[in-house]
Amino acid sequence: AQSVTQPDIHITVSEGASLELRCNYSYGATPYLFWYVQSPGQGLQLLLKYFSGDTLVQGIKGFEAEFKRSQSSFNLRKPSVHWSDAAEYFCAVILRETSYDKVIFGPGTSLSVIP
Amino acid sequence: DVKVTQSSRYLVKRTGEKVFLECVQDMDHENMFWYRQDPGLGLRLIYFSYDVKMKEKGDIPEGYSVSREKKERFSLILESASTNQTSMYLCASTSNLAGADTQYFGPGTRLTVL
Repeated sequence: AQSVTQPDIHITVSEGASLELRCNYSYGATPYLFWYVQSPGQGLQLLLKYFSGDTLVQGIKGFEAEFKRSQSSFNLRKPSVHWSDAAEYFCAVILRETSYDKVIFGPGTSLSVIP
Repeated sequence: DVKVTQSSRYLVKRTGEKVFLECVQDMDHENMFWYRQDPGLGLRLIYFSYDVKMKEKGDIPEGYSVSREKKERFSLILESASTNQTSMYLCASTSNLAGADTQYFGPGTRLTVL
């Protein structure tokens, strides 16, 4: 069955340190891949997405993600974390069904930032 | 900017009550979704709709129903609320335009069933 996994439930980093959040998917074809962020008390906001082309995707707030087909991964990175990046991060995949698109979300990774 | 609004941020109901959660989007999006969000489980799709009066079951439709009488409004109904339906409920919408696959989310409704 198609699935999205985020191996890290919770990550803590110091402000200014680099960050990598992992995402793996299980799907036969090349999926459409997304990263969303959810700040406390807020809905989800799109950080970036990958459909095709360049496998390194730039997003908002200084985030980037790299699609690696051989590893079925779409890891999110940021070179220097800010305290305001503390939030929950969700990786998602769109599966193109016959009559509609189905979105599958990973379980999320909670990020804490130490000042 | 796309705006998705949900009728309540916090809701407390009693077991057995009928509960209505309302979602409205203002960008003429064709597709609308209801998710529930639980710690460690991420977002799970309850129902979605790709047109007025059309609906499709998601992964966890049991105990829920939906209504879409107008394009901008998508309602989630708990016919008889139970304590295991205590959760955060998120509404989202997308457009059918090519390349417009981004989901736009409302702020969520935190429902507590006592």
